[in-house]
Amino acid sequence: EAQVTQNPRYLITVTGKKLTVTCSQNMNHEYMSWYRQDPGLGLRQIYYSMNVEVTDKGDVPEGYKVSRKEKRNFPLILESPSPNQTSLYFCASSLSNVNLTFGAGSRLTVL
Amino acid sequence: DQQVKQNSPSLSVQEGRISILNCDYTNSMFDYFLWYKKYPAEGPTFLISISSIKDKNEDGRFTVFLNKSAKHLSLHIVPSQPGDSAVYFCAASAFNNAGNMLTFGGGTRLMVKP
Repeated sequence: EAQVTQNPRYLITVTGKKLTVTCSQNMNHEYMSWYRQDPGLGLRQIYYSMNVEVTDKGDVPEGYKVSRKEKRNFPLILESPSPNQTSLYFCASSLSNVNLTFGAGSRLTVL
Repeated sequence: DQQVKQNSPSLSVQEGRISILNCDYTNSMFDYFLWYKKYPAEGPTFLISISSIKDKNEDGRFTVFLNKSAKHLSLHIVPSQPGDSAVYFCAASAFNNAGNMLTFGGGTRLMVKP
């Protein structure tokens, strides 16, 4: 089944404790992206990647890092999480970077 | 400043009636528009799209209308069904040097009552 898989789905952590949210897709898509969803703000793009070793900032990149060492994986790294990064995170991939396929989401709480 | 806005956070409709979800945008460079549907505990899924060269696109019960002069698009669902209850996100795309990137609206929660 064609899908985007994110882990963990739920995580509660404390301020400053580094964490990584993994994202993997099995559709051989070149384009991948991370979004965060907050009430009333919709989905805001954090980072995206057009291909392996090519990443770029989205609208809200502060406090996040990404890497794209392989085509299928696009992890999101929070080096020192803060409470304002409490959110619902979605990874997505696409052939055309317009019609996106999303993962099921990762709900992160930073205390 | 949000470039894509959905001014109605929620909408309630009776089963069998028409649901109309609205979306406004400010960037005149947007040339492709999409609607995504999101159920709880799931990721958004693509529903329907429209290019700026068209003013209407239809797919079964779902029709998207685009009014470029007003910078407005709408999604019509006819007839509405309880299974349509979800959050709907409008999204817009503008080609730039980095390729098309999507800008999303804040979402509208649709509730279809049996």
